[in-house]
Amino acid sequence: DTGVSQNPRHKITKRGQNVTFRCDPISEHNRLYWYRQTLGQGPEFLTYFQNEAQLEKSRLLSDRFSAERPKGSFSTLEIQRTEQGDSAMYLCASSHSRANARNIQYFGAGTRLSVL
Amino acid sequence: GDSVTQMEGPVTLSEEAFLTINCTYTATGYPSLFWYVQYPGEGLQLLLKATKADDKGSNKGFEATYRKETTSFHLEKGSVQVSDSAVYFCALFMDSNYQLIWGAGTKLIIKP
Repeated sequence: DTGVSQNPRHKITKRGQNVTFRCDPISEHNRLYWYRQTLGQGPEFLTYFQNEAQLEKSRLLSDRFSAERPKGSFSTLEIQRTEQGDSAMYLCASSHSRANARNIQYFGAGTRLSVL
Repeated sequence: GDSVTQMEGPVTLSEEAFLTINCTYTATGYPSLFWYVQYPGEGLQLLLKATKADDKGSNKGFEATYRKETTSFHLEKGSVQVSDSAVYFCALFMDSNYQLIWGAGTKLIIKP
């Protein structure tokens, strides 16, 4: 068990460019979550997958954002036409769906996005 | 909607002092409650949890009790160390929503 892995750790991009982040969850976890965290705030929920199915999306997730989890393992979060307001830490978490474990989410170290 | 409110920081204490970080919640059902900690440059780590009323979560000398009557989950530690300096987040989880709902975080600074 190597924990939740996120890549890259840091991304600097120019406004208008597209960026993609990757998350590798803990191997036996079938639930995967994306959150966004800005400075001085708690994380905000973006979206949730159970296996490959995207079951919940926040209205924070505008049409410029898309997330996939094609084989129920790793996930990608893409932001198209980035804006300066997208600058934030993007966090991925995973959990198991067992009744006594599904409320415990394990987090990666995050990808810090800076849009210039 | 569901929400979490925690005391604003930073909280500055001397080593070996007693710590309390207040957390209250609003929820329509019966959430699970969590404290997560974020050390500088690191990811969020689960510190402790409680899944039902009157449960006490504990870890690394930290404790919090799920109080349904006051809708609170205050974090306490009897004697803090410099290594406890971090940002502490209170959060709740509802099965129906899948997601964690977070407080804004409280930065804790412990001086030697």
